[in-house]
Amino acid sequence: GENVEQHPSTLSVQEGDSAVIKCTYSDSASNYFPWYKQELGKGPQLIIDIRSNVGEKKDQRIAVTLNKTAKHFSLHITETQPEDSAVYFCAASSNDYKLSFGAGTTVTVRA
Amino acid sequence: EAEVAQSPRYKITEKSQAVAFWCDPISGHATLYWYRQILGQGPELLVQFQDESVVDDSQLPKDRFSAERLKGVDSTLKIQPAELGDSAMYLCASSLYGGAGETQYFGPGTRLLVL
Repeated sequence: GENVEQHPSTLSVQEGDSAVIKCTYSDSASNYFPWYKQELGKGPQLIIDIRSNVGEKKDQRIAVTLNKTAKHFSLHITETQPEDSAVYFCAASSNDYKLSFGAGTTVTVRA
Repeated sequence: EAEVAQSPRYKITEKSQAVAFWCDPISGHATLYWYRQILGQGPELLVQFQDESVVDDSQLPKDRFSAERLKGVDSTLKIQPAELGDSAMYLCASSLYGGAGETQYFGPGTRLLVL
């Protein structure tokens, strides 16, 4: 089955700086890569996703890049704000529709 | 905005007892998922329903776990008997059709502690 690895496990950034989270996947058939944000006491919420026919996608301060050859994808958050503090999960799925999640990155934005 | 509802939010039980969790997906969503999230890890799929039918329960420990979605709407996940290793967050999610690349919407989860 699919194996998704996520790094780093924790990330502390100064408010206004950028944060980058990287994930690798094992199944070359994977074609859908969502990113979820989980705040304390809440379920994961989708923040952005990318499909294998696209190399980069941007939504305001959040961007995701995908390198299918290397089987890795990354989340970039620019101009970080205190409300960006949360746990972020990457995930991957192929045509079996099953999402495999990374272990998560705890992001702390320091004021 | 429509949300996935789950109850209870927290449950403390003793090992060997039975526990049950309830989920009400977003109205009109045909696909319902139950995930288990161990502290410090990502969610892992336990069971997936398409309407009232199970389409994937390969990771469900069937000796103690059961899940049903009798009318194809809300769902119940049961553990009997609970073991210490079952302590985790149980998340329910739903999606419109369960198709490839479709957004899954998660509920707030039920945090289970087995003593």
